[in-house]
Amino acid sequence: EAEVAQSPRYKITEKSQAVAFWCDPISGHATLYWYRQILGQGPELLVQFQDESVVDDSQLPKDRFSAERLKGVDSTLKIQPAELGDSAMYLCASSPTSGSKNNEQFFGPGTRLTVL
Amino acid sequence: AQTVTQSQPEMSVQEAETVTLSCTYDTSESDYYLFWYKQPPSRQMILVIRQEAYKQQNATENRFSVNFQKAAKSFSLKISDSQLGDAAMYFCAYRTLNAGGTSYGKLTFGQGTILTVHP
Repeated sequence: EAEVAQSPRYKITEKSQAVAFWCDPISGHATLYWYRQILGQGPELLVQFQDESVVDDSQLPKDRFSAERLKGVDSTLKIQPAELGDSAMYLCASSPTSGSKNNEQFFGPGTRLTVL
Repeated sequence: AQTVTQSQPEMSVQEAETVTLSCTYDTSESDYYLFWYKQPPSRQMILVIRQEAYKQQNATENRFSVNFQKAAKSFSLKISDSQLGDAAMYFCAYRTLNAGGTSYGKLTFGQGTILTVHP
């Protein structure tokens, strides 16, 4: 069964350093989401792509976070510089825009970021 | 903006027993989706069950069922015949049906409920 892939699974960095996370959605899924999940809380949307276009980045801290999906397939989320408060799980999800599963989001395993 | 509230940070149940997880939400929309997601320790989040707000019939998926009370904005999850593998964090989530707004597709999650299953 197809799954959303994310790497790395774990990342430890020092504050003020740059970090990048990668996500490969399920093949054919046009919509891609990046969520941030602070320990013990529910995920919150950072950015949503439809193909290569950003459709919602209202909660993305744009002074330090950036996201791209250049060819409308895989995506990269970058933080520069990282701050202590960025320690969290970063989840990627994808969904199709048609078919019986178009209301379901499929999540990857996440990247656990620790900022020291 | 929509909000989702899960008032039970932790719940526990004996194996083979039944447990109900609570969720309330706030919205001004009339059409939307509600979901329960399961997040096992160190594993990815998976969909448990989905409810369309325009459907009056409560959704069921094997041992999982919901009690959807639209007027009360309540959406509880009942797990019957609980199994050890049901132990996880459970999230209630809301999704708008409005295809024209920028929030289309976005899931709004509650804070989660940790479910422990005792053998």
